[in-house]
Amino acid sequence: AQSVTQLDSHVSVSEGTPVLLRCNYSSSYSPSLFWYVQHPNKGLQLLLKYTSAATLVKGINGFEAEFKKSETSFHLTKPSAHMSDAAEYFCVVSSITGNQFYFGTGTSLTVIP
Amino acid sequence: DGGITQSPKYLFRKEGQNVTLSCEQNLNHDAMYWYRQDPGQGLRLIYYSQIVNDFQKGDIAEGYSVSREKKESFPLTVTSAQKNPTAFYLCASSVSNQPQHFGDGTRLSIL
Repeated sequence: AQSVTQLDSHVSVSEGTPVLLRCNYSSSYSPSLFWYVQHPNKGLQLLLKYTSAATLVKGINGFEAEFKKSETSFHLTKPSAHMSDAAEYFCVVSSITGNQFYFGTGTSLTVIP
Repeated sequence: DGGITQSPKYLFRKEGQNVTLSCEQNLNHDAMYWYRQDPGQGLRLIYYSQIVNDFQKGDIAEGYSVSREKKESFPLTVTSAQKNPTAFYLCASSVSNQPQHFGDGTRLSIL
């Protein structure tokens, strides 16, 4: 069965410092993985996706993530946090058929001015 | 622009009342999904539909019903049997092996 664990429910960083949001997955096949961002009272916006091409994936707004099969991880990073990055972030893994999705419980990112 | 439209943005339900949340997409996606979001619990799947006139229960389908009469539309009814309906409801659509697109959600509260 597929599952996703986001290791931190809350992360606080100072503006201009690096961001690291951690995600581990469990899957019996080579999955597709995604990171989404959600601002208050909004839907989820896709940041980036991994679909078995390059293991280092670049997304929007300066975010990137690295797929590490040996560690079953897909951590999200950004070199320098901006105030507008404060939001909820979700790591998602797809089913083997690609039409069902399994969500982590989310990481709330706070950016301190 | 293509996208998903959820309406209304805010909805209030009286005790014993059924309410229907609208979800429309113009992305020509085959699959559509309804999720419930509660604080600290991420997204939980209520129902999903892969094709018109067919849908499957998700993890928390009790107290909810859906229909899929048109490819573009996937309305969700929150029935009076759902005893704790206060939540943020998100609709999504996708094509196979591609990421989901999400609407902006409907926040349902009890009067």
